[in-house]
Amino acid sequence: DSGVTQTPKHLITATGQRVTLRCSPRSGDLSVYWYQQSLDQGLQFLIQYYNGEERAKGNILERFSAQQFPDLHSELNLSSLELGDSALYFCASSPPDWDRSNYGYTFGSGTRLTVV
Amino acid sequence: AQSVTQLGSHVSVSEGALVLLRCNYSSSVPPYLFWYVQYPNQGLQLLLKYTSAATLVKGINGFEAEFKKSETSFHLTKPSAHMSDAAEYFCAVTRREAAGNKLTFGGGTRVLVKP
Repeated sequence: DSGVTQTPKHLITATGQRVTLRCSPRSGDLSVYWYQQSLDQGLQFLIQYYNGEERAKGNILERFSAQQFPDLHSELNLSSLELGDSALYFCASSPPDWDRSNYGYTFGSGTRLTVV
Repeated sequence: AQSVTQLGSHVSVSEGALVLLRCNYSSSVPPYLFWYVQYPNQGLQLLLKYTSAATLVKGINGFEAEFKKSETSFHLTKPSAHMSDAAEYFCAVTRREAAGNKLTFGGGTRVLVKP
């Protein structure tokens, strides 16, 4: 167990639907990052939150949105799903002093989304 | 912008042979560099990281990497491959900045270990 919890582990849904992926960061970590891993695009950064506020945004589609709640868990919302959204979605967390900590970034085991 | 290039999407090594995975980075400021391993159907596990201390970094499972600024490289090595090393390996770069310190990953190198 890495300390970062992602639910659900697997999700199968139809095109046009909306899903929510959840991430609970490692205890003490304030940053949450979302990544998408697909065969054709590799590991792509989507978005980062730090203590409830959006810190950085990557190649995140307008159909996707995220937020970080006061208890620091984060949710990634994917809407109007397309076949191409099928991928493994990872969440990672890091402490404020990530460059001096022993672990830096910690990844969850991911949510595998299949859009049919 | 930062970027990472991993040479070779697939590498095949014999058990007991040297494992060498190549990573070159591009960064306008001193980078922080990481190697992660991903086993089938699992998440990313940190092997080692360089954060401007010693240039030769030792990680878990017998892996090590050397930061060479002149070559903008951070190659990963292991003297003797084990069957359990079969996995996909990712090099990643970031830097400390107020706007966020996301990791930028290379395309990954899948390692096959032959008995």
